[in-house]
Amino acid sequence: AQTVTQSQPEMSVQEAETVTLSCTYDTSESDYYLFWYKQPPSRQMILVIRQEAYKQQNATENRFSVNFQKAAKSFSLKISDSQLGDAAMYFCAYRSGRNYGGSQGNLIFGKGTKLSVKP
Amino acid sequence: DTEVTQTPKHLVMGMTNKKSLKCEQHMGHRAMYWYKQKAKKPPELMFVYSYEKLSINESVPSRFSPECPNSSLLNLHLHALQPEDSALYLCASSLRGGTQYFGPGTRLTVL
Repeated sequence: AQTVTQSQPEMSVQEAETVTLSCTYDTSESDYYLFWYKQPPSRQMILVIRQEAYKQQNATENRFSVNFQKAAKSFSLKISDSQLGDAAMYFCAYRSGRNYGGSQGNLIFGKGTKLSVKP
Repeated sequence: DTEVTQTPKHLVMGMTNKKSLKCEQHMGHRAMYWYKQKAKKPPELMFVYSYEKLSINESVPSRFSPECPNSSLLNLHLHALQPEDSALYLCASSLRGGTQYFGPGTRLTVL
């Protein structure tokens, strides 16, 4: 079974600085997808970034980028030029690239990292 | 447009009430999901619908009854809930097996 581990329950960063959130996962599959979702206090789960395992290039979305180390099964999120609006719970998630019977892209979540941004 | 809408935003109900949560998307997604999320925890999958057919039921008690009337709409019917069922209920949708997009959730309180 696949697992996702986020070892940092809480992190803090100064506004305009850079912070990296860690995520490791365990799988025997070669075809899969990894995601970072952000959930601010407003509670909506927002997709931050997505990485396909078959792509060697790290995904980037504006100030958000990932460091995908497939052999090490590591998928960290870097937030550059942190803003107050980045304060949220961040969840790392895994999805298999295969469909197992009725499984339709089910997400396996880590426990989350709560990010605080100090002005 | 990656919008999933959910109504109501907040719901308070007694243990004998019957209520329904509604989720809607117009992105042409054919997979829709219900999750339950407790405070400071990740979402837990409850149900998955694929092409309007229930494909996954994660051993959810029968007091939760999902319904998918059409490809854009997903309901969750609630009956005889317990206080421990109080949580944030999230709906999500995706192209079959693709990236899931979440709605804003319904905050449910069971008295």
